[in-house]
Amino acid sequence: ETGVTQSPTHLIKTRGQQVTLRCSSQSGHNTVSWYQQALGQGPQFIFQYYREEENGRGNFPPRFSGLQFPNYSSELNVNALELDDSALYLCASSTRGPSSYEQYFGPGTRLTVT
Amino acid sequence: QQQVKQSPQSLIVQKGGISIINCAYENTAFDYFPWYQQFPGKGPALLIAIRPDVSEKKEGRFTISFNKSAKQFSLHIMDSQPGDSATYFCAASMIGNTDKLIFGTGTRLQVFP
Repeated sequence: ETGVTQSPTHLIKTRGQQVTLRCSSQSGHNTVSWYQQALGQGPQFIFQYYREEENGRGNFPPRFSGLQFPNYSSELNVNALELDDSALYLCASSTRGPSSYEQYFGPGTRLTVT
Repeated sequence: QQQVKQSPQSLIVQKGGISIINCAYENTAFDYFPWYQQFPGKGPALLIAIRPDVSEKKEGRFTISFNKSAKQFSLHIMDSQPGDSATYFCAASMIGNTDKLIFGTGTRLQVFP
């Protein structure tokens, strides 16, 4: 069974630029959630994708957007980067269902905005 | 009402001791309470989780105690080991909704030999 993978591992961008982060879900999982974890804080929910559609969104502005592909992998796009966007971005995969709700996290992408 | 409050912020325990981390929540609609362990530079790893229909769940050295009336739950690590040194996060969610996890602020555990 393949775990959740994310790429790239680290990324440095300049304020105002755009960035795309990628996530491959764990084998058998059809749902992907994205979280932002600032240094020393708990992860904050950005949004979730299920069946290639956004299925819930946290308190993040529209410049945070995403995609889910037919193979359940996902992208997180952030436009007009701000310094406060510097964080660890985590992807978690799960399987939607009445008895399936465990979310498994990838290693994250460390984004630094200068 | 969406918050999950976690304490203590940091914890130092001697090897072999018991580590106890506490969390409290307000939203009574939460029905899934996982604990995650995170090592520096890594993503959170699911450690153990509980549903509100039971008051305790044990897996190896890790036990969750759940008090529905007090809206509190805690993680107990028995026989703490230096390898347990990590940051621990409690979380809560409403299954069947977006399943989004609301995380606590984390507890940094250090276990000294």
